Amino acid sequence: QKEVEQDPGPLSVPEGAIVSLNCTYSNSAFQYFMWYRQYSRKGPELLMYTYSSGNKEDGRFTAQVDKSSKYISLFIRDSQPSDSATYLCAMSGVRGSTLGRLYFGRGTQLTVWP
Amino acid sequence: GAGVSQSPRYKVAKRGQDVALRCDPISGHVSLFWYQQALGQGPEFLTYFQNEAQLDKSGLPSDRFFAERPEGSVSTLKIQRTQQEDSAVYLCASSLVARGGEQFFGPGTRLTVL
Repeated sequence: QKEVEQDPGPLSVPEGAIVSLNCTYSNSAFQYFMWYRQYSRKGPELLMYTYSSGNKEDGRFTAQVDKSSKYISLFIRDSQPSDSATYLCAMSGVRGSTLGRLYFGRGTQLTVWP
Repeated sequence: GAGVSQSPRYKVAKRGQDVALRCDPISGHVSLFWYQQALGQGPEFLTYFQNEAQLDKSGLPSDRFFAERPEGSVSTLKIQRTQQEDSAVYLCASSLVARGGEQFFGPGTRLTVL
C-alpha cells in the first residue's frame, strides 16, 4: 500500500460544476499538504500549500485537511475547461524520512467540458 | 522571474548509453530535488540537495544513478548504462528554504530508452 492514495479517475464534469478531489494517507508524520496541477507534457504547478488541519481558500480553489481522518480535499468552484488537467496531491513532514521530500498521489485526471 | 528550467526536454537513448540531465533552479533557492515520474503515476522522490551537499539519495533506484550540484546552483542527474525501465519523465524542483517550503517544478526531461 502506498503512503498516499488518490483515485486516478478519470473525472469528467460540465463547465460550471463544483469539483471535489480527494486523497488519503497513512503516515501521521505528514504536516504539509499540497495540491499541484499538471497539464499534459508539463511540470507540476503548485496550486495550494497548507500546514496541518483546516481550510484554505484561493479564488475558486479551496483546500481542506482533516488530519484526524488522514484525508485531504481540493474543491474547484465554477470549473472551467482550462481546469482540465491532472491534479496531484502531495505531502511532507518535519522529521525523519518525511522531512522535505514530497510524497505524491498518482493524480486524478479531470476533464471539464463546455 | 525565471522559473526552474531543465534540459534537454526530450532525450532518446539506446539501451546501455549514458545520459546527463540538467536542472537550473530558481536563483537563490537553497534546496533542489529530483523526482522520477512514470506514465500515469505521481512523481517519486530520487534525491535532495541543500546547497552543494547531497543530504538524501535514498530514492535513487540503483548505483547507475548519480546526481551532483557542485556549486550549489545547477544540478546534473546522470544515468549510466540506461535500461528500458529508466524511461520516464525526470522532474527537478527547487525550494527557497532548507528541508521544506514550497517546491517549484521545472518542465521535466522525458527520457525514452530504446
